[in-house]
Amino acid sequence: NAGVTQTPKFQVLKTGQSMTLQCAQDMNHNSMYWYRQDPGMGLRLIYYSASEGTTDKGEVPNGYNVSRLNKREFSLRLESAAPSQTSVYFCASSEPSGGNYGYTFGSGTRLTVV
Amino acid sequence: GESVGLHLPTLSVQEGDNSIINCAYSNSASDYFIWYKQESGKGPQFIIDIRSNMDKRQGQRVTVLLNKTVKHLSLQIAATQPGDSAVYFCAEFSLSGGYNKLIFGAGTRLAVHP
Repeated sequence: NAGVTQTPKFQVLKTGQSMTLQCAQDMNHNSMYWYRQDPGMGLRLIYYSASEGTTDKGEVPNGYNVSRLNKREFSLRLESAAPSQTSVYFCASSEPSGGNYGYTFGSGTRLTVV
Repeated sequence: GESVGLHLPTLSVQEGDNSIINCAYSNSASDYFIWYKQESGKGPQFIIDIRSNMDKRQGQRVTVLLNKTVKHLSLQIAATQPGDSAVYFCAEFSLSGGYNKLIFGAGTRLAVHP
């Protein structure tokens, strides 16, 4: 009964380094999302995937890329990390076709770019 | 320590009192709303939802009220307990960019004092 699993939980990067944040869900949800959370700014959508094989930009996509590897996995990549990308990143999934529009969130990845 | 919530509005209540957390939403066409609770170091967790054809919905110790006229949502927590201390987010399900997505408010921190 894992729900949404994110790895790693913590990461420190140097400016210019790249990394991929991993996310997997075991609820057979079609839709998956990546959010970032900064102090006082709530959750802002980076990218989302309405279904396997599709991805779309959210509110703050610049500096990020995503891959919907299969129905379970949705990864977020930072090609050249910048200090402005220091944040807590959350992955979420949902299954709106069932009439339940709520999202299930992972526990987050705390990223620091120095 | 937890950085999320440092600059958010804070509601301080005594243990045992009732709490009311308010939220203004932006899109008059939104037809579904959710309250999430986020404890320190964790991802947001679903508390309660309400559809636009309702003005009140009750859960266990929580009640959500919806006033569509003024686009206002509130979360009432009865007999607040220390375990209720967290950041609370309202979210509206809104059509944006051709796809329905949850749009989150900035959040309110609830601090429960013994």
